Amino acid sequence: DTGVSQDPRHKITKRGQNVTFRCDPISEHNRLYWYRQTLGQGPEFLTYFQNEAQLEKSRLLSDRFSAERPKGSFSTLEIQRTEQGDSAMYLCASSLGGGGETEAFFGQGTRLTVV
Amino acid sequence: AQKVTQAQTEISVVEKEDVTLDCVYETRDTTYYLFWYKQPPSGELVFLIRRNSFDEQNEISGRYSWNFQKSTSSFNFTITASQVVDSAVYFCALSVGRGSNYKLTFGKGTLLTVNP
Repeated sequence: DTGVSQDPRHKITKRGQNVTFRCDPISEHNRLYWYRQTLGQGPEFLTYFQNEAQLEKSRLLSDRFSAERPKGSFSTLEIQRTEQGDSAMYLCASSLGGGGETEAFFGQGTRLTVV
Repeated sequence: AQKVTQAQTEISVVEKEDVTLDCVYETRDTTYYLFWYKQPPSGELVFLIRRNSFDEQNEISGRYSWNFQKSTSSFNFTITASQVVDSAVYFCALSVGRGSNYKLTFGKGTLLTVNP
């Protein structure tokens, strides 16, 4: 499978717990994005990596959220002290650098439920 | 700032009908890119088409066609002879460069239901 892979697909956690999600982009893609999608809404940008450098973070990304992309390969998104408002689908996308003419390929997402 | 508006929240049609999904965008950039993605119930966003701001040619791909009009800032998507498998949420999205890192700004999506 050469697509974008996300793990886990589903996560249920109690409020206050920490959770970590993983994204494996398409292997040659240097750009990696995290988005969050709540019910009935379009995905919203969270953060962007070019290779291993995190170049942009949305204001949506509170200090409880941290993302890494060591060695410019896979990426992790960690949420500390989860809140019920964090319940959403977390989507990862990758693309091959160039300009905006290259489309982003999305993974199937991790659905987080905070109870 | 960029904005994408999909005014149609839900559309329901009967199989074989034609259906048009509307998309209106806002940006001050002169170079930008427009996209349509399909999100079936499985959740994965599937890329359908990309247009850049300098190419206003309409495009047809099988039963799908896209009408890009800069004068009205619209990028509408038409499915001809719809099929049940077309049922999904469809998102229109916009990206720009110049420091925006080509991140996508999505509309809220249109839920299309095609009934047999």
